[in-house]
Amino acid sequence: QKEVEQDPGPLSVPEGAIVSLNCTYSNSAFQYFMWYRQYSRKGPELLMYTYSSGNKEDGRFTAQVDKSSKYISLFIRDSQPSDSATYLCANLNSGYALNFGKGTSLLVTP
Amino acid sequence: EAQVTQNPRYLITVTGKKLTVTCSQNMNHEYMSWYRQDPGLGLRQIYYSMNVEVTDKGDVPEGYKVSRKEKRNFPLILESPSPNQTSLYFCASSFRAGGPYEQYFGPGTRLTVT
Repeated sequence: QKEVEQDPGPLSVPEGAIVSLNCTYSNSAFQYFMWYRQYSRKGPELLMYTYSSGNKEDGRFTAQVDKSSKYISLFIRDSQPSDSATYLCANLNSGYALNFGKGTSLLVTP
Repeated sequence: EAQVTQNPRYLITVTGKKLTVTCSQNMNHEYMSWYRQDPGLGLRQIYYSMNVEVTDKGDVPEGYKVSRKEKRNFPLILESPSPNQTSLYFCASSFRAGGPYEQYFGPGTRLTVT
């Protein structure tokens, strides 16, 4: 079983919609949870990270971790066509490597 | 500009012909890593380096070698490439390991082995 599971999509939403992206993880020892965004033909870039449980908000983006259910979510409010990308969740294992989900492809249509 | 550079960006080669993909960062980062990205499999770590002369295997190290002789450089070596190493490769670096330090990714190297 892969340590981080993520629905690959694709997910298509109209501009202005609220987007919910989700991951589950298996190792309860994980402490740091991250979301990376990858545009086509580019390397991933860090969007947000959270430590342990709870919510973190940054502009239109909210990251949420529920450690009791081992569930990680990223919410995008007022989605824009420029948000069209692949979103990768990741968490830190022993401190040396990121475990990435397979990524969810998001398309925001005007 | 802070960045991770990789060369070449695109490479087509034949089975068995040794090749090196270079990676360089200008941020004085301690931690560097190589990933491969394949459809349906996502990003998987090949090798990582905690600092100069300190390297270790990731999830998929078979068929690859690395070295870290200088802090800024972390080349990926394929001694005898095979078609199953056709993939998109990313180098990444971060301030250090062991925390939520952002990993900065290079632009990627698309390798095709025929």
